Amino acid sequence: DAGVIQSPRHEVTEMGQEVTLRCKPISGHNSLFWYRQTMMRGLELLIYFNNNVPIDDSGMPEDRFSAKMPNASFSTLKIQPSEPRDSAVYFCASSLDRPSNQPQHFGDGTRLSIL
Amino acid sequence: QKEVEQDPGPLSVPEGAIVSLNCTYSNSAFQYFMWYRQYSRKGPELLMYTYSSGNKEDGRFTAQVDKSSKYISLFIRDSQPSDSATYLCAMRGHNNDMRFGAGTRLTVKP
Repeated sequence: DAGVIQSPRHEVTEMGQEVTLRCKPISGHNSLFWYRQTMMRGLELLIYFNNNVPIDDSGMPEDRFSAKMPNASFSTLKIQPSEPRDSAVYFCASSLDRPSNQPQHFGDGTRLSIL
Repeated sequence: QKEVEQDPGPLSVPEGAIVSLNCTYSNSAFQYFMWYRQYSRKGPELLMYTYSSGNKEDGRFTAQVDKSSKYISLFIRDSQPSDSATYLCAMRGHNNDMRFGAGTRLTVKP
């Protein structure tokens, strides 16, 4: 079975540029999560969607970050403008919330470097 | 105080040893407990998922939850070099707001 698919795997760009990260959740899963992982702060939840609707975006660090889920099989996380402190590994995860909340399954992440 | 405390290690053991990994937590609302394994440059991979207090066994892995002490453990029997990875505990209540430990880096030496 295909797992969570993220693209690109690596992204290197200059400060000020727009960055778009993409995620395809596991087919049939109805919850989708965006995380950021750094050495200093570990794994942090940025935002999660349920049935394509944003439920909790309290982890989004600033207005420079935005996320969309136009349909059940695709989500994007956008940073505009990017800054060096945004450098991290960004993970997407998905899960099924019926019959009860099931565990999250992660993609292999996008390693983002902002120069 | 963090909601979830996990010793980051590193932890180094010889092949065949029993490994014990632990987390403590402070939020009594946490009901679901997970252990994830993360290899270098890969995403976290779900190893164990438990709901109630007690033990759950899967092959060489045993997850233990003690809600009264707010303490969870993962035991790895007959550890192998392929078990070398970072192990993350994770937990949540009845919503989807999951909290992760910092992760323990484990090395199993041949």
